[in-house]
Amino acid sequence: GENVEQHPSTLSVQEGDSAVIKCTYSDSASNYFPWYKQELGKGPQLIIDIRSNVGEKKDQRIAVTLNKTAKHFSLHITETQPEDSAVYFCAAPPEGGGGADGLTFGKGTHLIIQP
Amino acid sequence: NAGVMQNPRHLVRRRGQEARLRCSPMKGHSHVYWYRQLPEEGLKFMVYLQKENIIDESGMPKERFSAEFPKEGPSILRIQQVVRGDSAAYFCASSVGMNTEAFFGQGTRLTVV
Repeated sequence: GENVEQHPSTLSVQEGDSAVIKCTYSDSASNYFPWYKQELGKGPQLIIDIRSNVGEKKDQRIAVTLNKTAKHFSLHITETQPEDSAVYFCAAPPEGGGGADGLTFGKGTHLIIQP
Repeated sequence: NAGVMQNPRHLVRRRGQEARLRCSPMKGHSHVYWYRQLPEEGLKFMVYLQKENIIDESGMPKERFSAEFPKEGPSILRIQQVVRGDSAAYFCASSVGMNTEAFFGQGTRLTVV
């Protein structure tokens, strides 16, 4: 099955700086990579996703990059704000899946924005 | 358009009782997924259902756990004879179809005492 590794487990940055979270996956056939943000006591919220036919996708202050050769993808948050503080999860579908069925999640990154 | 609705938000059960967790997908979504999250951990896939069909239950424990998504009404995750180790947050997600993004509900936090 798919194996997803996420780093770092905790990331503390100054407000206004950038944050980068990285994930690696094992199944080279996987072609859909979502990122979720989870605030305390709430469900995961889809913030951005990327499919393997592109190498980068941006949405305002958030971007995701994908390197299929190296089998890793990263979340980039620029100009961080206090409301960005949360736990972020990457995920990948199993065995070449291209959608959200049976996603394997990373263990999460606790992002702390220091004022 | 309401999001994925789960109820109850919190559920307390004594060991040996049954827990029933409900999930109403987003309007227009016919695919439902259940995940379990233990404290300080990521989400673990349990089961994937479409209306009246279980598509993938590879993450579901073989005993005591069952799931359904009837033609009418919400999807139900049922845990029989609960044990303390079942205490976790259970999240439901829904999507329009295969190969599309999934949106999660707020979860049901099950506590077994």
